[in-house]
Amino acid sequence: DTEVTQTPKHLVMGMTNKKSLKCEQHMGHRAMYWYKQKAKKPPELMFVYSYEKLSINESVPSRFSPECPNSSLLNLHLHALQPEDSALYLCASSRGTDRDLGNSPLHFGNGTRLTVT
Amino acid sequence: AQSVTQPDIHITVSEGASLELRCNYSYGATPYLFWYVQSPGQGLQLLLKYFSGDTLVQGIKGFEAEFKRSQSSFNLRKPSVHWSDAAEYFCAVGATGGGNKLTFGTGTQLKVEL
Repeated sequence: DTEVTQTPKHLVMGMTNKKSLKCEQHMGHRAMYWYKQKAKKPPELMFVYSYEKLSINESVPSRFSPECPNSSLLNLHLHALQPEDSALYLCASSRGTDRDLGNSPLHFGNGTRLTVT
Repeated sequence: AQSVTQPDIHITVSEGASLELRCNYSYGATPYLFWYVQSPGQGLQLLLKYFSGDTLVQGIKGFEAEFKRSQSSFNLRKPSVHWSDAAEYFCAVGATGGGNKLTFGTGTQLKVEL
């Protein structure tokens, strides 16, 4: 069982809808991530939160809005998405974003399969 | 900037046969290297990692990988493949001080024939 929980597992939304993806971890990790994965492709980093502050935004369009209410929760708010935004959205967490990455590997959730119609 | 190449898009092996998945990386310093596995519709599970020390690392599910600096490689191996190993395998490299920015390879799809 994964220790990073993502809800919902599947989401279908229209281009005018507003929806949110949720991610939760209880491992005491202080870094959380959003990745986007298209079919048959590797995951692509979108955002990194470190100690509840946004530390990396990989030039993601503003129709994706991340939020980290506390160290255990990470949200991704979606608004006015396009059909090409349909993908698997993966949340991950790690102990920190310190230099010792080797001791702080990423733990992934099972993702939310998003379809934009 | 770091990069990862997985030369094999698809590999098919018979159950019980040995397996080697190739991974080549490009990075100026000693990299952090990872192998992840992804079953259909699932997230990524960490198989093993290397960041220093013994160049042969053991992971979960009977997998191992060997870091070879001279060849810039980090190949994944398993002596005897089980049908449940069929999945997508991703090699990834991380940079020190990079805020945990992992760069993934394009993945290798493993098919296991019974």
